[in-house]
Parts: sequence; structure tokens; C-alpha cells
Amino acid sequence: KAGVTQTPRYLIKTRGQQVTLSCSPISGHRSVSWYQQTPGQGLQFLFEYFSETQRNKGNFPGRFSGRQFSNSRSEMNVSTLELGDSALYLCASSLGGQVPYEQYFGPGTRLTVT
Amino acid sequence: GENVEQHPSTLSVQEGDSAVIKCTYSDSASNYFPWYKQELGKRPQLIIDIRSNVGEKKDQRIAVTLNKTAKHFSLHITETQPEDSAVYFCAASKGYSTLTFGKGTMLLVSP
Repeated sequence: KAGVTQTPRYLIKTRGQQVTLSCSPISGHRSVSWYQQTPGQGLQFLFEYFSETQRNKGNFPGRFSGRQFSNSRSEMNVSTLELGDSALYLCASSLGGQVPYEQYFGPGTRLTVT
Repeated sequence: GENVEQHPSTLSVQEGDSAVIKCTYSDSASNYFPWYKQELGKRPQLIIDIRSNVGEKKDQRIAVTLNKTAKHFSLHITETQPEDSAVYFCAASKGYSTLTFGKGTMLLVSP
């Protein structure tokens, strides 16, 4: 099976702009989670989608949003970019369900905000 | 919410030695504990996991132990090799697909 893919891999944006990142999960996986990774804060949970519904949300401002499509692909959007949004954004896919299943990560999108 | 503490932040060992990384969690409802290895510039890779109904799990040179009473779990790597050098993350989950991660341990294995 193909692994989790993310596009684009690298992105440079200016403060105030918005950005959309995409994640394609492993075939058959219905859950997609998003994480922000920075040297200072480590890996932090943003939100999780299952069957097109957001099931859980981390402690991030409303500028961070996401959605999931019927084919389980997911996008996340960050509006009004700030310098502090520079990070590696990782998505992870899993089978889903209420019982935690193994999560497999994509390669990430490196976002730089200038 | 859940809080996961991980120690040490860096660990240097000689090739062939054992390495132990420890994590504690705060939410007694957490029931799934995976460990990830992340090499420089690469994605985190799941290396082993354990569920709350099991006390220990082993996979070749890697083992994980869980103490639910004390709310801590540990990763044990035996016969370390230079290719084990990476950042290791522990995590905890109590449902759905939400992982709370520790801050990571940089493991350096010297030949």
C-alpha cells in the first residue's frame, strides 16, 4: 500500500497570507490527524477528522482550520499567517474508530513564514 | 488535558549498550502508548506500541513496559547500533486518533 502523502513539501509565505496544505491517507484509512512540529514545542495536536467530521481539536487559534473529503483526503488551512506559524506540519492517518489505532505519518510540509 | 513528560532529553551510549527512555502521563483514562523514531529530516515512524491491558511488549531489540498504577511507560533498546541514533517520541492516547507527545529524546549511539 502507498504511504501517507502530503503536498506541497515546502512552502514559503509572507505574514498575513493564508495557506492550504493537503494530506492523502493510506488507502482504507478513514481518520486523518494533523500535528504541528517545532523545535520549541515539539509535536502538538491540531485536529482530527473521521468520516468528514472533526472529532477532536487541539489548543490552537481559530486561524487553523481543516476539512476532510469523502475520499478521506484532508486539507488544513491557516489564515492570516504569523511568523510563529513557521513549522513542519505533519498529518497522520489511521483506521479510525473509538479505539486508538496505529497512526502513520506523512513526510510533512515545511512552512516558512517571512 | 493529557500531559506527557519524557526523560532524558538527550542520551549518549556506546554501541552495544542498552538505552532506556522513560515517560509519564497524567490522564489515567489513556489506554494506548506508541513510540515513534524520527531521523533527521524524516517523518516519525511507529516502532512499537502498547495498550493498557498489557504490561510489556517486545519486538527484537526493542521493548516497552507499562505501569498503569504509576502512570509511566518506558522504551528499552538493547544492543544499540549507530543506526538507532535518532529522536524518539513517546505518546499517549485515550481514544479516537489524538496523540499527546512527549518532548522527545535525542539518542546518540557512538561506534
